[in-house]
Amino acid sequence: SQKIEQNSEALNIQEGKTATLTCNYTNYSPAYLQWYRQDPGRGPVFLLLIRENEKEKRKERLKVTFDTTLKQSLFHITASQPADSATYLCALGVSGYSTLTFGKGTMLLVSP
Amino acid sequence: DADVTQTPRNRITKTGKRIMLECSQTKGHDRMYWYRQDPGLGLRLIYYSFDVKDINKGEISDGYSVSRQAQAKFSLSLESAIPNQTALYFCATSEQRGGLYNEQFFGPGTRLTVL
Repeated sequence: SQKIEQNSEALNIQEGKTATLTCNYTNYSPAYLQWYRQDPGRGPVFLLLIRENEKEKRKERLKVTFDTTLKQSLFHITASQPADSATYLCALGVSGYSTLTFGKGTMLLVSP
Repeated sequence: DADVTQTPRNRITKTGKRIMLECSQTKGHDRMYWYRQDPGLGLRLIYYSFDVKDINKGEISDGYSVSRQAQAKFSLSLESAIPNQTALYFCATSEQRGGLYNEQFFGPGTRLTVL
């Protein structure tokens, strides 16, 4: 069966360090992958998209990698700040289908 | 003003009642979606619509129905609410142009409790 796995345990890091979040998938051949940020009680907000033929994408302090061989995407936040504390969701889009399938998300806690 | 709005923001209802959740958007997007979010289960797609005449079931459509009244409005109904429909409900929109890759824009959510 198809699965998207994100670390269920919260990731705790210190301010200034790099946070790395993982999204693994099985039995999918995604055409693209998106990352969203969600704050408690609020709707997800889009951050980055990476396509299957792209290895890496960057936006300010954010970096996403996509390895279709390992079936994995890594999401990095460099120089993390307490304001980066949130839940981060990955979402896969598959060719021929027009909807996204979301992972359950990983909570990131950045302490001062 | 918010681009995607949902009403009500919070609702408590009783088992067996009919309830409607409404979503409006000013982004001019053709595509609209309804999701529910439960702790430990993540976001799951209930229904989606790619234009006014197009309605599609998502992963978990049983017990729900939808209506796309206009490009800007997409309503979700629970015909006879049951306690396991207690959840946080999100509406989202995306552009038609560009096809697959477009990001989704989410509303603020409706917290529904069915007693």
